[in-house]
Amino acid sequence: GENVEQHPSTLSVQEGDSAVIKCTYSDSASNYFPWYKQELGKRPQLIIDIRSNVGEKKDQRIAVTLNKTAKHFSLHITETQPEDSAVYFCAASNYGQNFVFGPGTRLSVLP
Amino acid sequence: DGGITQSPKYLFRKEGQNVTLSCEQNLNHDAMYWYRQDPGQGLRLIYYSQIVNDFQKGDIAEGYSVSREKKESFPLTVTSAQKNPTAFYLCASSRTSGSSAYNEQFFGPGTRLTVL
Repeated sequence: GENVEQHPSTLSVQEGDSAVIKCTYSDSASNYFPWYKQELGKRPQLIIDIRSNVGEKKDQRIAVTLNKTAKHFSLHITETQPEDSAVYFCAASNYGQNFVFGPGTRLSVLP
Repeated sequence: DGGITQSPKYLFRKEGQNVTLSCEQNLNHDAMYWYRQDPGQGLRLIYYSQIVNDFQKGDIAEGYSVSREKKESFPLTVTSAQKNPTAFYLCASSRTSGSSAYNEQFFGPGTRLTVL
């Protein structure tokens, strides 16, 4: 079955700096990779996703890159703001089914 | 917030009691999922259902049971056999349609279960 690893488990950055979170997956059949943001006590919410036919996707300050050969994908947040502080989860799935989540990264943006 | 609801928000249970968590969605999604989240941990899949009257065990199904009698509803029962049930439970749903679909999961607000 699929296994998703995520690093780092915690990340602190100064406001305005960039943050990068990396995930690796094991199943080459996985072709859909969403990223979720979860604020304390709240539900995870999708912030960006990427499909296996695309190498990079950007939405304002966030971007995701995918390297299918190496089976890893990364979340990039630029110009971080205090409201970016949250736990971020990556996931891998096959056509949007049977999601496997990474263990999460707690991002703290320091003022 | 996607039309998926969970109730109650907080639930307290005495040891040895079964308890049922509700999950309802009005998104016309075929697939529904239950996850358990422990403090500082990721999401672990308990059960999932891709169609009415059918469901599959996830990674940590022991001590839990589900039913899927209606497309809109996927209740989770935490039985007395679950050794450590105190956790945050999240329900999710997604469309499943054809081999060319990539469908995100929408999450409910969660139920925090505490065993006293």
